[in-house]
Amino acid sequence: DGGITQSPKYLFRKEGQNVTLSCEQNLNHDAMYWYRQDPGQGLRLIYYSQIVNDFQKGDIAEGYSVSREKKESFPLTVTSAQKNPTAFYLCASWTGDSYEQFFGPGTRLTVL
Amino acid sequence: QKEVEQNSGPLSVPEGAIASLNCTYSDRGSQSFFWYRQYSGKSPELIMSIYSNGDKEDGRFTAQLNKASQYVSLLIRDSQPSDSATYLCASPGWPDKLIFGTGTRLQVFP
Repeated sequence: DGGITQSPKYLFRKEGQNVTLSCEQNLNHDAMYWYRQDPGQGLRLIYYSQIVNDFQKGDIAEGYSVSREKKESFPLTVTSAQKNPTAFYLCASWTGDSYEQFFGPGTRLTVL
Repeated sequence: QKEVEQNSGPLSVPEGAIASLNCTYSDRGSQSFFWYRQYSGKSPELIMSIYSNGDKEDGRFTAQLNKASQYVSLLIRDSQPSDSATYLCASPGWPDKLIFGTGTRLQVFP
């Protein structure tokens, strides 16, 4: 089955630690996206990548970093510089044809 | 900056009624719109897309686009408790991005 996977489902971080969230897709989509969602809020774009080895900052990139070494993978690192990282993180990918984005199941990050 | 706006709700409707969810947008050049459904604690799921003025029907769902008034609506007929979720409206931004509204929470009560 084609789809987007994210791991882990739940992640706990101590203050001052960097953590990396995984996102993998086997849909052969070129573009991939990372969003953050806070309780009762909409989706805010962190980073996105249109092709391998290239990515752009979204609206709230500070304190985050990404890489895109393979078409299938777009990991997100939440660094210690992100002061309020507790949130629901969603990865999405796009075919490039119709702007329809498809989402992974999400990772819920909690800072202890 | 393009904007997509939604009333956060909650919108409460009785089972069997029609739920009407609305979204307004700022960019007159926007050509396409998407409705996503998000259950609590889950990721958004695309349920409808609309690319031209008028209505598009899919089962109990109807999307309506009015470009002159810059709004897009989602109607859910015969609402069921299982329709209770947050509904997100989205429109393409440049380059290759989607601009999301904050979502409207729908509650369908028996």
